[in-house]
Amino acid sequence: DIVMTQTPLSLSVTPGQPASISCKSSQSLLHSDGKTYLYWYLQKPGQPPQLLIYEVSNRFSGVPDRFGGSGSGTDFTLKISRVEAEDVGVYYCMQSTQLPPSFGQGTRLEIK
Amino acid sequence: QVQLVESGGGVVQPGRSLRLSCAASGFSFSTYGMHWVRQAPGKGLEGVAVISYDGSNIYYADSVKGRFTISRDNSKNTLYLQMNSLRAEDTAVYYCAKKCPGTVAAGPDFWGQGTLVTVSS
Repeated sequence: DIVMTQTPLSLSVTPGQPASISCKSSQSLLHSDGKTYLYWYLQKPGQPPQLLIYEVSNRFSGVPDRFGGSGSGTDFTLKISRVEAEDVGVYYCMQSTQLPPSFGQGTRLEIK
Repeated sequence: QVQLVESGGGVVQPGRSLRLSCAASGFSFSTYGMHWVRQAPGKGLEGVAVISYDGSNIYYADSVKGRFTISRDNSKNTLYLQMNSLRAEDTAVYYCAKKCPGTVAAGPDFWGQGTLVTVSS
């Protein structure tokens, strides 16, 4: 099974400042079809997760361009260029290269 | 717009069974794979089961293998999760989620609001 490890587990960020979350997988997420199935989700309080980034670096429909994903192999990063108050919640990385999917522990983002 | 509405949750005794349903609308259900993902109270997300668009490919987490069965009825636009031999550690909010377009490995894009299952005597 692929284990996903996120760091840090919590972040406190001043509005307008950047934020970065790391996600490492225990095995390469490169699929035999040539794609890398690494996703980022945000779960706001009391809501289901919402997709931010799919396949490492593609922003989902409606996601602001201040969110960006990067990485390859086993190391991935989510960056928020300028944090806004509405970005609070728990961020999860997820792999589905090997099914069923596995998630990181989550990173809680709060606003200073 | 995509809508996923889970139902069937509730309080059940250990060892008993429960069937969850997920009614889908707003997209061509029969052409997309689907996921069940759960979240124990105050905890993170756990992938439970995945089914391909036609039901021919199914994957389970080790924690539920042999006890849970994922299925779908494309004529009713409905996804199911049959849960048998329930344990206290199965207590969670269960979400159904639609797969992104693409291969069987694609992850979820849209999620339902979830249904709470509580296993307790």
